[in-house]
Amino acid sequence: GAVVSQHPSRVICKSGTSVKIECRSLDFQATTMFWYRQFPKQSLMLMATSNEGSKATYEQGVEKDKFLINHASLTLSTLTVTSAHPEDSSFYICSAINQGRKETQYFGPGTRLLVL
Amino acid sequence: AQRVTQPEKLLSVFKGAPVELKCNYSYSGSPELFWYVQYSRQRLQLLLRHISRESIKGFTADLNKGETSFHLKKPFAQEEDSAMYYCALEAGGTSYGKLTFGQGTILTVHP
Repeated sequence: GAVVSQHPSRVICKSGTSVKIECRSLDFQATTMFWYRQFPKQSLMLMATSNEGSKATYEQGVEKDKFLINHASLTLSTLTVTSAHPEDSSFYICSAINQGRKETQYFGPGTRLLVL
Repeated sequence: AQRVTQPEKLLSVFKGAPVELKCNYSYSGSPELFWYVQYSRQRLQLLLRHISRESIKGFTADLNKGETSFHLKKPFAQEEDSAMYYCALEAGGTSYGKLTFGQGTILTVHP
């Protein structure tokens, strides 16, 4: 079946630094990817929609300048947390829609970010 | 705005017992509803969607528009069903693919 990978699986960084998280569709093309955030013991919250070749669309309340999204190819989207602060510590999950099977959405394993 | 509510954070049953995980939604349009499952140390994966009317691993879910519910049911729970279950709603249209998740229910099936 279709697989979505994320790298890194976990990252620890100092406050003020930027962190890049990659989301890749390994065996299919994804015109659309989504980025979610999950706080401990809470649900997934959609942050933004990443469209290949165009600007990402952000959900209300998500700072686009803080969470930079780039979808440069049909298999890769990146989320960069700029000037990270401890409150950005969370679990970030991406998902991708298989271009050939538009109703199917596949999730990555998530990236644990800890900002010290 | 749409909303998905899963009233039970935790649900425990014994093997062989029936199980029902509740999901209610609020949305003014015609939604698409999904159940996702996350087994221990694994990623989120689709269990079933209402439009396909499938039975996956013995689970079924019926969309009740009158009650705005999409409860997940299984007549005889198995230990391997222990997992976190999320109900999710897709509003459709320009919201294609965008999912609103419920808070999740942790199901534990005891031997």
